[in-house]
Amino acid sequence: QKEVEQNSGPLSVPEGAIASLNCTYSDRGSQSFFWYRQYSGKSPELIMFIYSNGDKEDGRFTAQLNKASQYVSLLIRDSQPSDSATYLCAVRGGGSYIPTFGRGTSLIVHP
Amino acid sequence: SAVISQKPSRDICQRGTSLTIQCQVDSQVTMMFWYRQQPGQSLTLIATANQGSEATYESGFVIDKFPISRPNLTFSTLTVSNMSPEDSSIYLCSVWGATSASSTDTQYFGPGTRLTVL
Repeated sequence: QKEVEQNSGPLSVPEGAIASLNCTYSDRGSQSFFWYRQYSGKSPELIMFIYSNGDKEDGRFTAQLNKASQYVSLLIRDSQPSDSATYLCAVRGGGSYIPTFGRGTSLIVHP
Repeated sequence: SAVISQKPSRDICQRGTSLTIQCQVDSQVTMMFWYRQQPGQSLTLIATANQGSEATYESGFVIDKFPISRPNLTFSTLTVSNMSPEDSSIYLCSVWGATSASSTDTQYFGPGTRLTVL
């Protein structure tokens, strides 16, 4: 049973701060890692993906992957109230189109 | 990218009835995926729908309860049969497609169908 674990939160940060979202996974053969943002009442949208150990930056977002420790994280710099949403971590094994999703972490950015 | 539409966007149904959800994609795709997202929960894959073959169901989901059609490469339907209040959920259609910024496939989701069963 492949598992993806996330703290459900809510994680509350002040505007302008760095929000750090974490995800651990059980399948050592996992090769692709995704972060989705889901606003209330909306469908998930992809914001980051990462395949290699280390950091990957895209604007205010940085994904960090550590395969040895089996965790992936998402940092959001200069957090804005518009970043308030649920962030879903998804992990996919090699040769499969079907990822396993975590339950998501609720992020609240307060002014 | 892929643009996905779903109908209906929401519905309120009576126990024991059935609802068919439609999913339309703006491009041809081999596989389409149906997910369920219950309140406060993550996405649970119901089945994978391939054109020209039977859908593949995940553990805990059966064809009699969730029959799926896939008549062509841009369209699929999911039926929720003999509904009970436990079926109240958001049902999402999904496909994988390439992005303009990367050759790597990414997953796209439809807007979802919010189902309430009384």
